[in-house]
Amino acid sequence: GQQVMQIPQYQHVQEGEDFTTYCNSSTTLSNIQWYKQRPGGHPVFLIQLVKSGEVKKQKRLTFQFGEAKKNSSLHITATQTTDVGTYFCAVPSGTYKYIFGTGTRLKVLA
Amino acid sequence: EAGVAQSPRYKIIEKRQSVAFWCNPISGHATLYWYQQILGQGPKLLIQFQNNGVVDDSQLPKDRFSAERLKGVDSTLKIQPAKLEDSAVYLCASEGLGYEQYFGPGTRLTVT
Repeated sequence: GQQVMQIPQYQHVQEGEDFTTYCNSSTTLSNIQWYKQRPGGHPVFLIQLVKSGEVKKQKRLTFQFGEAKKNSSLHITATQTTDVGTYFCAVPSGTYKYIFGTGTRLKVLA
Repeated sequence: EAGVAQSPRYKIIEKRQSVAFWCNPISGHATLYWYQQILGQGPKLLIQFQNNGVVDDSQLPKDRFSAERLKGVDSTLKIQPAKLEDSAVYLCASEGLGYEQYFGPGTRLTVT
């Protein structure tokens, strides 16, 4: 079946450093979504990418969809303590549902 | 706009007991999901509803889990009997027009 892997599994950074997480699919994707889950919280939708090579920015967050539409990345510039949490990608499986990736847990050291 | 509501927020039961969770999605959202999230893992889809019909329940352990959405609005998820491995957070989500999912706060279930 379809597999979605995220790397790294964990990342500790000093506040102000950059952070990148990667999401890799075994199949070509029609779109990809990214979510953030704060410790003790629930996943919150961040963005959806649809087009090959698409790049979208949200303040310090940059999202990119690979040219082959089989991978995606989330880059955070100059991390802050508010960026702490687990970042999940979610990819379509079949027609109507999404599979969540394994997640990357980010810790930011002040 | 009110978010997705879930109750209870926490539940502790003994194994072999039964438990039920309730979810009220965002008004107007036709698609509703139930996920199981084990600590340190991503949400795992249990069941998906479109209005009051089941779209996908392939990952639902049907010998012990059941779910319904009778009037196409709120939904309940039941576990009977519970096992130790059912300890997890049960998340409900409803889907917006762009297929983005809005999650409720979840119910943290501990089975002892």
